Amino acid sequence: ILNVEQSPQSLHVQEGDSTNFTCSFPSSNFYALHWYRWETAKSPEALFVMTLNGDEKKKGRISATLNTKEGYSYLYIKGSQPEDSATYLCAFRSNDYKLSFGAGTTVTVRA
Amino acid sequence: SAVISQKPSRDICQRGTSLTIQCQVDSQVTMMFWYRQQPGQSLTLIATANQGSEATYESGFVIDKFPISRPNLTFSTLTVSNMSPEDSSIYLCSVGGKQTPSSYNEQFFGPGTRLTVL
Repeated sequence: ILNVEQSPQSLHVQEGDSTNFTCSFPSSNFYALHWYRWETAKSPEALFVMTLNGDEKKKGRISATLNTKEGYSYLYIKGSQPEDSATYLCAFRSNDYKLSFGAGTTVTVRA
Repeated sequence: SAVISQKPSRDICQRGTSLTIQCQVDSQVTMMFWYRQQPGQSLTLIATANQGSEATYESGFVIDKFPISRPNLTFSTLTVSNMSPEDSSIYLCSVGGKQTPSSYNEQFFGPGTRLTVL
């Protein structure tokens, strides 16, 4: 079992504020890093797949960066809205193609 | 992308009984995966189900407890057998892309089955 850690476990954000949180993963046998957004009773939604050190990806107000050498990724939410409330999961894909998930960061945006 | 549905969406079961969860995909896929998330824990891979062969189970999971069927390229079932309260989890079906190295990056999930065992 590979150690994928996300912090913080949860956070509360005021509407309009920006926030970010971290995923750390093994720096060896790296294949890809996935970010998912998961709302209750819905399918986890794929946000980003990142494969190259230094990758930066953006989708609307959400963006992510990747550092494979030190084993971390940041997810940023700019100008948080209530609809951003969800659990954000990161998953590390190693060279054997298996996904190892972090426990998630639960974001609650207060209006 | 793939659209995945699961049945049931949730269930409450008695200790010692079994529940079969169905997963239907809107396109043919080679690899299907079953995950669970116990309360407060990470999503954990139970097994990989390929059509026409036995499922491959991860460490800590056995076929007698979690039998899996994969009768065709769009459907799979996972049975949780002889349930105990520790089996209370969200169970998710997932599919990967085509079996080429470049498409291992794509993986999609169903909405999950929320199981409570009393």
